[in-house]
Amino acid sequence: GDSVTQMEGPVTLSEEAFLTINCTYTATGYPSLFWYVQYPGEGLQLLLKATKADDKGSNKGFEATYRKETTSFHLEKGSVQVSDSAVYFCALSGPSYSSASKIIFGSGTRLSIRP
Amino acid sequence: NAGVTQTPKFQVLKTGQSMTLQCAQDMNHNSMYWYRQDPGMGLRLIYYSASEGTTDKGEVPNGYNVSRLNKREFSLRLESAAPSQTSVYFCASSGTPTNNEQFFGPGTRLTVL
Repeated sequence: GDSVTQMEGPVTLSEEAFLTINCTYTATGYPSLFWYVQYPGEGLQLLLKATKADDKGSNKGFEATYRKETTSFHLEKGSVQVSDSAVYFCALSGPSYSSASKIIFGSGTRLSIRP
Repeated sequence: NAGVTQTPKFQVLKTGQSMTLQCAQDMNHNSMYWYRQDPGMGLRLIYYSASEGTTDKGEVPNGYNVSRLNKREFSLRLESAAPSQTSVYFCASSGTPTNNEQFFGPGTRLTVL
């Protein structure tokens, strides 16, 4: 079945460092891909998404490019801030889920940024 | 707009007790979902409702029941709570299959002793 694999955490970086969180997927057809973020004590919120190959999603300085050839959707940010400390989830929604937008989530990567 | 709301925020139960988690959305969304979040396991889908009047099992439905009361409300019931159901529960909603972003509530932290 469809699945998402993302790098295990926790990831600890200093402020202004470059961030990469790796994500690869297995899916039939052409899924939509997402990054969700969960701040402490809150629910998940959509950070960015891409719906077809070579699309780049971006938001709040974060970017991810839908790479069909490598089945990847890695999250990047050029200069992280303390406020970026959160848990990040990679996810996919496949076209086979026609009756509802079911989403498959990765296990999450906890990111901590040191001042 | 409140988005997706959940009650209660916290709950402690004893083994064998029952309870219902409530969820409501004010975005006129068709589909609603219940997830549980456990450490190191991401989110797992318990049940979902593609539209008012329909419900379907997700990945981990055992021990739970759901009711889609109307378009706004989707409740999750634990008939006889077990320690293995200690988790954080999230409700979510989405508009249509072609706009597949899900919007999440703030969660309910449940402990079963």
